Amino acid sequence: KQEVTQIPAALSVPEGENLVLNCSFTDSAIYNLQWFRQDPGKGLTSLLLIQSSQREQTSGRLNASLDKSSGRSTLYIAASQPGDSATYLCAAGVAIQGAQKLVFGQGTRLTINP
Amino acid sequence: SQTIHQWPATLVQPVGSPLSLECTVEGTSNPNLYWYRQAAGRGLQLLFYSVGIGQISSEVPQNLSASRPQDRQFILSSKKLLLSDSGFYLCAWRRRYSGNTIYFGEGSWLTVV
Repeated sequence: KQEVTQIPAALSVPEGENLVLNCSFTDSAIYNLQWFRQDPGKGLTSLLLIQSSQREQTSGRLNASLDKSSGRSTLYIAASQPGDSATYLCAAGVAIQGAQKLVFGQGTRLTINP
Repeated sequence: SQTIHQWPATLVQPVGSPLSLECTVEGTSNPNLYWYRQAAGRGLQLLFYSVGIGQISSEVPQNLSASRPQDRQFILSSKKLLLSDSGFYLCAWRRRYSGNTIYFGEGSWLTVV
């Protein structure tokens, strides 16, 4: 059974810092690894998706890496801004009968202080 | 472009009352559809998924049911709500034959009192 863990559970940093969020998964048989952002009381916004054959993906100030062999993914945020404050969720895409589902970590609650 | 709509956004229901949450997807056809729940202090858990009209699979035993009466419509229901059904419910979709990204709706807050 796939389990996804995110460390730390919460992180508070001053504006402008570069930071790394960590995600680990127990079963390397994944289709992909997806990172989401969730603002309080809102749905999930997809940030980056890394296919199982890829090592990393970049979008603006965000860079996500994937190491299937070690069961790890990281989300790197450069030059953090107060608007980056949110909960960040990683999810492993795994096979289910006839489809694919996401197994989520508990999230990292990020606060960027002005 | 594709969009996903989910309603109602907020719901307060007494124990024992029925529930119906609705989700529709626009701009695509034959999507895989999902219902997830996010309970307080817990991660997102997959409740149901569907690969086609009338085809529903359940991930966990529970007090809820799902239906897919049309290709892009997914409904989450209960005949009698329990306190433990409270939570944040999220509908999601994915293109069936290409792309792996799963896209989520804005969610529905359910409080059972």
